[in-house]
Amino acid sequence: AQSVAQPEDQVNVAEGNPLTVKCTYSVSGNPYLFWYVQYPNRGLQFLLKYITGDNLVKGSYGFEAEFNKSQTSFHLKKPSALVSDSALYFCAVRDDTNAGKSTFGDGTTLTVKP
Amino acid sequence: KAGVTQTPRYLIKTRGQQVTLSCSPISGHRSVSWYQQTPGQGLQFLFEYFSETQRNKGNFPGRFSGRQFSNSRSEMNVSTLELGDSALYLCASSLETGFGYTFGSGTRLTVV
Repeated sequence: AQSVAQPEDQVNVAEGNPLTVKCTYSVSGNPYLFWYVQYPNRGLQFLLKYITGDNLVKGSYGFEAEFNKSQTSFHLKKPSALVSDSALYFCAVRDDTNAGKSTFGDGTTLTVKP
Repeated sequence: KAGVTQTPRYLIKTRGQQVTLSCSPISGHRSVSWYQQTPGQGLQFLFEYFSETQRNKGNFPGRFSGRQFSNSRSEMNVSTLELGDSALYLCASSLETGFGYTFGSGTRLTVV
């Protein structure tokens, strides 16, 4: 079985400050982990993924995520937030034995205030 | 490079009818997945096709079905529509399993 949790429905940060959007997961095998962003009235956009290798993964728009196996976490981070980063963020996980089926978290709404 | 194209964008159907949604993946992508997005349930996995074979299926009733053609285009069909089927249906494509998915803009289905 696989599951993912995003413990915060909403994250508010000031522009220029660092941001973190949290994600924890549970899988039976090895995890494939993803972050997606959804802007209003638009589809999901892929930000980054972790399959194997370095625990710090860099993705689009200056985002990065840190894979922590012991804490089963994959938090999304950005050193300096922009107002344009305001959107709905989804973490997703797939067990490497579960072909094609990704489980998505409930999403976290990020609001960056000027 | 064209993205994932879903048609139609909007649909209004009556309870009991059936509906077919279409998805054209990015050229070269062989994996196509379908998701249902609703405010209450979030993103729920429907099924995934790879090279015309269904590789995985979510926990949806048999009224939900799909298929993939040799050109990787995919369709999903919902028969005997219920009010609870009202949702945004998202299609996503990927080169291979393990790659990040590119999502289409979705088809908004409303069942009345």
